[in-house]
Parts: sequence; C-alpha cells; structure tokens
Amino acid sequence: NAGVTQTPKFRILKIGQSMTLQCTQDMNHNYMYWYRQDPGMGLKLIYYSVGAGITDKGEVPNGYNVSRSTTEDFPLRLELAAPSQTSVYFCASARDVRYYEQYFGPGTRLTVT
Amino acid sequence: AQTVTQSQPEMSVQEAETVTLSCTYDTSENNYYLFWYKQPPSRQMILVIRQEAYKQQNATENRFSVNFQKAAKSFSLKISDSQLGDTAMYFCAHPNFGNEKLTFGTGTRLTIIP
Repeated sequence: NAGVTQTPKFRILKIGQSMTLQCTQDMNHNYMYWYRQDPGMGLKLIYYSVGAGITDKGEVPNGYNVSRSTTEDFPLRLELAAPSQTSVYFCASARDVRYYEQYFGPGTRLTVT
Repeated sequence: AQTVTQSQPEMSVQEAETVTLSCTYDTSENNYYLFWYKQPPSRQMILVIRQEAYKQQNATENRFSVNFQKAAKSFSLKISDSQLGDTAMYFCAHPNFGNEKLTFGTGTRLTIIP
C-alpha cells in the first residue's frame, strides 16, 4: 500500500517552460487536492477534485491546470513557469472531508529560474 | 468564511517538558472532525491526532492529547514529555463545509531544545 505518491521529487525549470507534476493514490479516495507551500509558510490550496471528472479551483489557481480522468490520478500542469511558482507542491487525498483525514504525498520541490 | 487561527507562530521548550499549542476555529456545524498535523524538517505532512466534535472525551495518542472545548471552538494540542523528534511545524485543520476541503491554520513552529 503506497498511499499517495508524487513524481518528481525535485525539478528545476527555466522561465516559460511547462511541466506536469504527477500524483497517484491507491486508497480509492474520491477527494484529491493540490497545495503549494512557500518557505516558512502554510499551505495554499491550488485545485481540488471530489471525484473523477470533477475539479474546482482553490485559493491560488492562476498559472496551473488539473485534470481527473481516473480516481487514482490527479496531475497538476504548470504552463509558462514563472519564478513566483517556486515552491514545494503537495498532493493529498481523502475518503471525505468531514470525517476523515487527508493523506499527503512527500512533495515536489520546484525551482523556477 | 470558516477560519482556523493559530495564535502562536513560534514556540520552544526544553526536552522532556510539556507544551500546549493553541488553535481556534469558526463553524456553525455540529458534527465534524478536527485534525492536528505535524510537518518535520523532512516536509512530510503527518497526522498527529484527530478529534470528533460529537464526542466530549478528549482524544489521546501516546504523548499527544487534545483539549477540545466545543462551546469555545478551541482545539489545543498538548505534547507531554517532549522529545527532540517533536521539533516541527504543527498545523491544525477543520473541514470547510460546502467547499469539500480542509481549512488549515497558519502553523506553529515548535522547537525542542536539548
């Protein structure tokens, strides 16, 4: 049981490049989330999904896109990377939001230079 | 808007001492869970403890316990016999009803001093 896995662990992008952060969970959770965490700060929600085919914006969606074609996968797409997107990105999943905790992946450290 | 407030940005205690981290939240719901997460220097987010709001009994997990005051909407975390491995950022979280997501506090950075 791997839980929530994220790839890659580290990535350096040049300004204007694009990339996809991968997130997979094997717990059959309907709810999945993408957060970013800037140095010394808390978590900011980028996008979330309550099931396959359903996604919604969080607090800071600009510059990102998501898709949810399966229950297991929830990739995050960065288009035209900017230095402001330098951060650590966490994916999380949950059985539901009211009664169950979120399980987090190990994070992806992204640097845009 | 539902909010979660952690009023202590940083705390430090000597090893083996007891420390309490505070958290208050705002909701009109009646039945839900509350969560404390730990983020050590490795950055991995780890669930420390959760409390069901319907239960009056405070949750306990080994050295970690909760002081849950539902009427006051307070959800503090007590760490007993603190250890060096407890050094971490601690976040409390509450479900944001209607939006299907968790609202996290801004975190308390806890340092255990040898």
